Amino acid sequence: DQQVKQNSPSLSVQEGRISILNCDYTNSMFDYFLWYKKYPAEGPTFLISISSIKDKNEDGRFTVFLNKSAKHLSLHIVPSQPGDSAVYFCAASVTVRMGGSEKLVFGKGTKLTVNP
Amino acid sequence: DTGVSQDPRHKITKRGQNVTFRCDPISEHNRLYWYRQTLGQGPEFLTYFQNEAQLEKSRLLSDRFSAERPKGSFSTLEIQRTEQGDSAMYLCASSLTRTGGDYGYTFGSGTRLTVV
Repeated sequence: DQQVKQNSPSLSVQEGRISILNCDYTNSMFDYFLWYKKYPAEGPTFLISISSIKDKNEDGRFTVFLNKSAKHLSLHIVPSQPGDSAVYFCAASVTVRMGGSEKLVFGKGTKLTVNP
Repeated sequence: DTGVSQDPRHKITKRGQNVTFRCDPISEHNRLYWYRQTLGQGPEFLTYFQNEAQLEKSRLLSDRFSAERPKGSFSTLEIQRTEQGDSAMYLCASSLTRTGGDYGYTFGSGTRLTVV
């Protein structure tokens, strides 16, 4: 079963507008959530993260919101730029004792296209 | 040291052949991960090293797969008797032990394996 779900395979927005990418999870043990961006022929690049004890984290144009009761998080990009066009992956992990892998569970990704 | 390096970038092999991939992590990173990504999916965890010790393996890692990290530096992933289902992008990532706060792996660009 898929523990991290990104139900929108693609999203298209106009330059300057807000992009909102959504992610749902099922495992209540997840305590850290991350967003990665991936360009073709490159590995994923870490974008922003949020701890489960917070409900918002902001870094420049990127803001991640977490709603624990709904097991839902979203990534807001404002304003969107053509260079933001990429596949965005939501990921989650469970904190383990020191030395644990803290492996990430990824969603399937959402392809964002920002049109000039 | 500018990032995680993976070699080769592309590999085409015939079914039944053995292949080996190499990953050079960021030098000060003590953790190293292997993930696999197939078309339309997010990366899936395969295995994890803390220094030279392989501490966790996914059930996705069948007996035909073996990974090593001698001396806690570079790592190799070998697939024996390749099958068409092994065709995927193999991603390596490295990180420091998390001490709290934001974190994220640094991924390499991956090795794309095609089994014909």
